[in-house]
Amino acid sequence: SQKIEQNSEALNIQEGKTATLTCNYTNYSPAYLQWYRQDPGRGPVFLLLIRENEKEKRKERLKVTFDTTLKQSLFHITASQPADSATYLCALAGSSNTGKLIFGQGTTLQVKP
Amino acid sequence: GAVVSQHPSWVICKSGTSVKIECRSLDFQATTMFWYRQFPKQSLMLMATSNEGSKATYEQGVEKDKFLINHASLTLSTLTVTSAHPEDSSFYICSARARGLSTEAFFGQGTRLTVV
Repeated sequence: SQKIEQNSEALNIQEGKTATLTCNYTNYSPAYLQWYRQDPGRGPVFLLLIRENEKEKRKERLKVTFDTTLKQSLFHITASQPADSATYLCALAGSSNTGKLIFGQGTTLQVKP
Repeated sequence: GAVVSQHPSWVICKSGTSVKIECRSLDFQATTMFWYRQFPKQSLMLMATSNEGSKATYEQGVEKDKFLINHASLTLSTLTVTSAHPEDSSFYICSARARGLSTEAFFGQGTRLTVV
């Protein structure tokens, strides 16, 4: 069955460092992959999308890589700030264009000042 | 940017009653809306997909008679939890996809349902 794995353990880093979060998947060939930020008690907020034929995407301090051979995406936040503390979710979409997303369980990032 | 508004943000109801949750796209037409539920520290689980003017498509294991979904217009979808029980307590989140955009999905702020 399709499976998406994100590190369930919280990631604690010091302000100014680069945070790297991992998303691995099995039994799936996504057309694209998305990363979302979710704060407690709130809905997810879209951050970045990367397609299957793209290796890397950047947006300000954010960078996403996508390796369809390894079936893995890495999400980087450079120069991290305490305000970046949140849970980050990866989501995969198939090629059927239904818009359906399969989410990982998320990784909680804590950036300490 | 596109805004999806979900109402109410939280609701407490008695066991056996029904609760309706609304999801509105405020500044775009949503041809497709999705309903998810999320338990604490767990992933969002897709419950159903609704297209405007047609019946919702439910994911495996989701009771369509318990979770009634209506998508009567291009800006409004509702989820009604019928005969709610404590195990239905969860965080319900909707998302909406705009006409013509195949990848963008915008999420509501979620509804915390507590059944007592």
